[in-house]
Amino acid sequence: LQLVESGGGLVRPGGSLRLSCAASQFTFNAYNMHWVRQVPGQGPLWLSRIDADGFDTNSADIVRGRFTISRDNAKSTLYLQMNSLRVEDSAVYFCARESLGLFGAIDYWGLGTLVIVSS
Amino acid sequence: DIQMTQSPSSVSASVGDRVTITCRASQPINTWLAWYQHKPGKAPKLLIYAASRLQSGIPSRFSGSGSGTHFTLTISSLQPEDFATYFCQQGQFFPWTFGQGTKMEI
Repeated sequence: LQLVESGGGLVRPGGSLRLSCAASQFTFNAYNMHWVRQVPGQGPLWLSRIDADGFDTNSADIVRGRFTISRDNAKSTLYLQMNSLRVEDSAVYFCARESLGLFGAIDYWGLGTLVIVSS
Repeated sequence: DIQMTQSPSSVSASVGDRVTITCRASQPINTWLAWYQHKPGKAPKLLIYAASRLQSGIPSRFSGSGSGTHFTLTISSLQPEDFATYFCQQGQFFPWTFGQGTKMEI
């Protein structure tokens, strides 16, 4: 099973980035998916979740209106469109798969992609 | 938002030690609690879900307990590969929230 994030990098404040997460070796369209970020030395911060069909989403207040989660089940790919980026959005961004069943847990994570917002 | 508070923030231990980490939720979350292990440069790994259920492939020296607001992760006999950072996470209410982490050091 693989979750491979891409699209991170250096961007100026106010700029945009689109993160992608390529999933393989599992039935992507059967799972809810999440984005989580982490600043080194701090606890992770949950950002957003999309259901298996892509019709229902939830997002943290801190990114609502700026970040949009989406997915393409035909391509087994999860996305995070990040607009109006701020310096404090700098972090490692993880793509994550929610475990099946009503447990509220993440059973697989990617390695993450680094986003640096700086002028 | 539900606040998750872990203690201690770091622990120094030796191979073979029994170690317990605590996680407290700011409001009851039943058993919607997961524990993860994270090593630098690697993907976080799910250890425990539903407060006490061992994830497939995880050694039985790891165990979890608790419900409501008080939870614990216990490693019965520390192994060299267990030195990492551990964090808890509640998944009952959005936004899901994580503890700040406990760093296990030699």
